[in-house]
Amino acid sequence: EADIYQTPRYLVIGTGKKITLECSQTMGHDKMYWYQQDPGMELHLIHYSYGVNSTEKGDLSSESTVSRIRTEHFPLTLESARPSHTSQYLCASSELRESGELFFGEGSRLTVL
Amino acid sequence: GQNIDQPTEMTATEGAIVQINCTYQTSGFNGLFWYQQHAGEAPTFLSYNVLDGLEEKGRFSSFLSRSKGYSYLLLKELQMKDSASYLCALKDSNYQLIWGAGTKLIIKP
Repeated sequence: EADIYQTPRYLVIGTGKKITLECSQTMGHDKMYWYQQDPGMELHLIHYSYGVNSTEKGDLSSESTVSRIRTEHFPLTLESARPSHTSQYLCASSELRESGELFFGEGSRLTVL
Repeated sequence: GQNIDQPTEMTATEGAIVQINCTYQTSGFNGLFWYQQHAGEAPTFLSYNVLDGLEEKGRFSSFLSRSKGYSYLLLKELQMKDSASYLCALKDSNYQLIWGAGTKLIIKP
């Protein structure tokens, strides 16, 4: 059973606010990811990390930042939320091997008013 | 460029068999994954293919043909709980996952 947790599960905030979405995994996985997904649409990679002190940008990274100070923790920060950020945010982790499948958290559903 | 195509929606009957196709175009290939995603939930892993052929896992099987850029997921003995979206994702030459938009499968009694 996957052990990857996201908080908050649901968040409603006003435009311009700074928010941090938390993600923690207890599987010792080196690789971690943040995805954005709108209903019925494909997953879009925001950021990913190969391990401690490693962060890489995905397709949608320009308006957010991440950090990887500890193996188990990979928070995502939006400095100034906008209505266009309203979406589902999914955190995932995997082993570094090629066939390593992704284990996903339950998601954080963000609504920006 | 890289591209993944899946049918948007399919309907099948409980107890029947359904095949969900995935075609792709990519400059490099390092494996193909299938995930299941129930509405409002996160995706869960179903299968991984890196070599041509059929991988069977219980009621679910996945097939890959690299020369044709083609994969399918076969679901047998369909149950109502199989109603979900099925996501095809390929790992490209940089080992990054490229995701399809998913196929919504509706199971009818």
